[in-house]
Amino acid sequence: DAKTTQPTSMDCAEGRAANLPCNHSTISGNEYVYWYRQIHSQGPQYIIHGLKNNETNEMASLIITEDRKSSTLILPHATLRDTAVYYCIVRVGSGGSARQLTFGSGTQLTVLP
Amino acid sequence: NAGVTQTPKFRVLKTGQSMTLLCAQDMNHEYMYWYRQDPGMGLRLIHYSVGEGTTAKGEVPDGYNVSRLKKQNFLLGLESAAPSQTSVYFCASSYLGGGSYGYTFGSGTRLTVV
Repeated sequence: DAKTTQPTSMDCAEGRAANLPCNHSTISGNEYVYWYRQIHSQGPQYIIHGLKNNETNEMASLIITEDRKSSTLILPHATLRDTAVYYCIVRVGSGGSARQLTFGSGTQLTVLP
Repeated sequence: NAGVTQTPKFRVLKTGQSMTLLCAQDMNHEYMYWYRQDPGMGLRLIHYSVGEGTTAKGEVPDGYNVSRLKKQNFLLGLESAAPSQTSVYFCASSYLGGGSYGYTFGSGTRLTVV
């Protein structure tokens, strides 16, 4: 699976959009971009994933560049409860084989009041 | 719908003691996983299972054993605990490989080996 690079930490003002970048320049054609987050002391939580089209759900939006070498997770209106470590993971998507998630260090997002 | 439940939530062991961590899921997921997370680090996969009666090694399997006798349960065993196994242990499950719906994680077991 392709490796990812994320900033170690970011701050965001409450109510503003939080934009979390991820670089995955070695991504392969059949690899998806997944985002998870881990709020302090809790288990990770799935947020969103995409292949090449932009995706949006009730939690966030995912913007993937046309060359797929980088992506941005957008939390449109960050709240204090969004303070967490955000993990960007690249891996093969659906299918019967167990493609385990490989977690890096992630980005510590701190939402400031 | 409880999702993924881990027991116990906390445990302190003496070096050399054994214990079993239990993970139970009620989502009828085929795949289950055990991860460990050390302070300030990401999660590392210990063992995983793609179905009842099957198990496989992950990134850091040494010192652990697992069993999947029932589809809904995935047990992680420490036969002879060592201080290096002090960590937070997370169990997860997924529909097949977790591609379309992601993984569902439990709330973790905090284990200290003294």
